[in-house]
Amino acid sequence: EIVLTQSPGTLSLSPGERATLSCRASQSVGSYLAWYQQKPGQAPRLLIDDASNRATGIPARFSGSGSGTDFTLIISSLEPEDFAVYYCQQRSNWPFTFGPGTKVEIK
Amino acid sequence: QITLKESGPTLVKPTQTLTLTCTFSGFSLSASGVGVGWIRQPPGEALEWLALIYWNDDKRYSPSLKSRLTLSKDTSKKQVVLTMTNMDPVDTATYYCAHSSATRNNWFDPWGQGTLVTVSS
Repeated sequence: EIVLTQSPGTLSLSPGERATLSCRASQSVGSYLAWYQQKPGQAPRLLIDDASNRATGIPARFSGSGSGTDFTLIISSLEPEDFAVYYCQQRSNWPFTFGPGTKVEIK
Repeated sequence: QITLKESGPTLVKPTQTLTLTCTFSGFSLSASGVGVGWIRQPPGEALEWLALIYWNDDKRYSPSLKSRLTLSKDTSKKQVVLTMTNMDPVDTATYYCAHSSATRNNWFDPWGQGTLVTVSS
């Protein structure tokens, strides 16, 4: 099973600041990595697929990069609605796995 | 517009079997490449992938739960059913179903709203 590790666990930032989130896989997943955003009481929403493709309707301030084992999600300038928990997921190997999440909170 | 909604009991007793139904609209589970997955999330914890059923009836299960899970689909009713046997309090979680297809690069998009299942005597 591929283990995904996310860092940091919590990111405390102010609106307008840049957020950099990391996801590391225990073995290569190629580009088969996605990022999801989850707000309290809501279902996760797909943000980035195949490591770097923004999903439909996702603002340009969200960008993803990486391949193999190291991936990054960047939010270039935090908007109030961006404070949430972010999960990465791989679908390179069965079973699919999710990371433990990074919480982006208001400083 | 693709939508999914989970339904089932909110409370089950330990050792009982949980049956959850995902009712969807906006896509056909008989179309090539389409799938419906199940993911759960214990309160305050991370997401855990459980299972996935494809248009061709191919089914994939989490190895850690495989002995307890069964997936089935009813294409005409636009439903996918997940059963989990021998429920335990640690299975208390919000259970989500989600759409997967080549048009969404085979990722989970969108998700249902989720249904909270509590396991308690």
